[in-house]
Amino acid sequence: ILNVEQSPQSLHVQEGDSTNFTCSFPSSNFYALHWYRWETAKSPEALFVMTLNGDEKKKGRISATLNTKEGYSYLYIKGSQPEDSATYLCASNPVDTGRRALTFGSGTRLQVQP
Amino acid sequence: DGGITQSPKYLFRKEGQNVTLSCEQNLNHDAMYWYRQDPGQGLRLIYYSQIVNDFQKGDIAEGYSVSREKKESFPLTVTSAQKNPTAFYLCASSIEGKGRSEQYFGPGTRLTVT
Repeated sequence: ILNVEQSPQSLHVQEGDSTNFTCSFPSSNFYALHWYRWETAKSPEALFVMTLNGDEKKKGRISATLNTKEGYSYLYIKGSQPEDSATYLCASNPVDTGRRALTFGSGTRLQVQP
Repeated sequence: DGGITQSPKYLFRKEGQNVTLSCEQNLNHDAMYWYRQDPGQGLRLIYYSQIVNDFQKGDIAEGYSVSREKKESFPLTVTSAQKNPTAFYLCASSIEGKGRSEQYFGPGTRLTVT
């Protein structure tokens, strides 16, 4: 089983703070890295799918970077707002293992205080 | 509206009974997935299907069974052999099953077995 680790487990920030969290994954046979946002009482929603080393993606105040050689991705939120409160999940899958499904990390739970 | 539906939202069963969770999608996606979430843990893959009439075991398939007779439908049966069936179950789909397409999630079914 591919181990996808996320840190920190939880985070409390004040409105307006910028924050970031980490996803680490085995770098060998890298294929893709996904980020999802999961708000309470809703379904997880995709933020980014990243495939290239050095890739950087942005959606509004949220951005993500990818380092496939060392096996990590960072998710950044600039100027956090209360509506950013959610659990952020990352997931990855290796190529050439026959397994085509994602392995998810346990998530980083973000709480933004107004 | 395109999307994934899961029913019911809450399900209660007595120990020893099999129960089937429904998952339907009208997104015309080839791949579908079943995940389980327990408190404090990430999403764990139960089964996935890359195409109709084909499916593979995930990380925790023991005590579960699936079928994929139609593209739109991927029901999950929780059998009496599953030792700890009480959990939150999420179904997802993606355009293709190789891991580079974002997954779309249903609203989930919370199963309680007593």
